[in-house]
Amino acid sequence: AQSVAQPEDQVNVAEGNPLTVKCTYSVSGNPYLFWYVQYPNRGLQFLLKYITGDNLVKGSYGFEAEFNKSQTSFHLKKPSALVSDSALYFCAVRDGGGYNKLIFGAGTRLAVHP
Amino acid sequence: GAVVSQHPSWVICKSGTSVKIECRSLDFQATTMFWYRQFPKQSLMLMATSNEGSKATYEQGVEKDKFLINHASLTLSTLTVTSAHPEDSSFYICSARDTGLAGPYEQYFGPGTRLTVT
Repeated sequence: AQSVAQPEDQVNVAEGNPLTVKCTYSVSGNPYLFWYVQYPNRGLQFLLKYITGDNLVKGSYGFEAEFNKSQTSFHLKKPSALVSDSALYFCAVRDGGGYNKLIFGAGTRLAVHP
Repeated sequence: GAVVSQHPSWVICKSGTSVKIECRSLDFQATTMFWYRQFPKQSLMLMATSNEGSKATYEQGVEKDKFLINHASLTLSTLTVTSAHPEDSSFYICSARDTGLAGPYEQYFGPGTRLTVT
């Protein structure tokens, strides 16, 4: 079965510093991976996805993610964190069934301090 | 860009009553929509997959008679929580996939509906 793991409940970063939010996956077949962000009392916003091709994927709001097949990881990164980046981040993998369901990780809360 | 709306954004109801939540894709057609439930500080739990013109597919452990899903058109799916109880209080989020796109494209999420059952 497809699954993703986000090993960190929370990540704390100082504003201006680079940030990394970790995600590892377990899939059978080709992995289709996604990152979403959720602000308080809101739905999820799509950040980026990896389907195939370049291992470095660039997304919205200056975020990028690096697909690493040997380490089965898809870490989210940003070179310089903003206080407004503080939110809940979810990594997801497409389920192998016919409806393209998404399997979400537990989420990582990012706190960027001024 | 693709926009999904939900209505209402929040609702308070009394125990034993039923509540309907609407999910609409505003600028694209969605054969498939998904309903999630999220508890505070937790991840999203997929409840069911809503299919236009056919019965919904429920995840294991989700009571289909309690959470009624209707996907009557390519832009509207509804979730009805029947005979609601306080333990049904939660944040309900829907998402939709653009039918016009092939492949593993992302889901577009609604803003969520906060249900409180008193």
